[in-house]
Amino acid sequence: RKEVEQDPGPFNVPEGATVAFNCTYSNSASQSFFWYRQDCRKEPKLLMSVYSSGNEDGRFTAQLNRASQYISLLIRDSKLSDSATYLCVVTLITGKLIFGQGTTLQVKP
Amino acid sequence: DTAVSQTPKYLVTQMGNDKSIKCEQNLGHDTMYWYKQDSKKFLKIMFSYNNKELIINETVPNRFSPKSPDKAHLNLHINSLELGDSAVYFCASSQDPRTDEQYFGPGTRLTVT
Repeated sequence: RKEVEQDPGPFNVPEGATVAFNCTYSNSASQSFFWYRQDCRKEPKLLMSVYSSGNEDGRFTAQLNRASQYISLLIRDSKLSDSATYLCVVTLITGKLIFGQGTTLQVKP
Repeated sequence: DTAVSQTPKYLVTQMGNDKSIKCEQNLGHDTMYWYKQDSKKFLKIMFSYNNKELIINETVPNRFSPKSPDKAHLNLHINSLELGDSAVYFCASSQDPRTDEQYFGPGTRLTVT
């Protein structure tokens, strides 16, 4: 079983749609949680941190459920520029980062 | 100013050769990393250094040898390159690896022929 699992997609959605990505992790010693975005042939960049209380940044909302070991990302009013791969990332208490395979989003006009 | 830089950006070489990739960060971070992203896009940590000391060493062939001359630099040397080493190698840095964002370099696309 992968330590961090994501549905690789691709998710093909029209502009303006709302899309949700899910991620599960297996290590209960996980300490911090993030969503990173990676554009084609580019480096990953932090999209947002994820907290149990949930956090929102504009059209993006992230949620963490520690009991279920589940992380989510919701994108509202999708834009063409949101097309990318979204990486779920978990940090262990040792400082090691574990990346999910990534979920590919393609927003169509 | 580039926060995390890597050279070269592209590297094409033949099997059996030895090559190095260099990484520098100007963020003042204490921790630096090397990641490998294969053709299936999985990003896997290879090594992590904190203040020039190796703290994470994943199951990586010993043909791969990281070197950190100071906390702003982390280089990766690869001996006897194999076809399976073809991938994109990313360097990254962070201040506290347990809680902080990681800043990635632009990647080095290695192709072994």
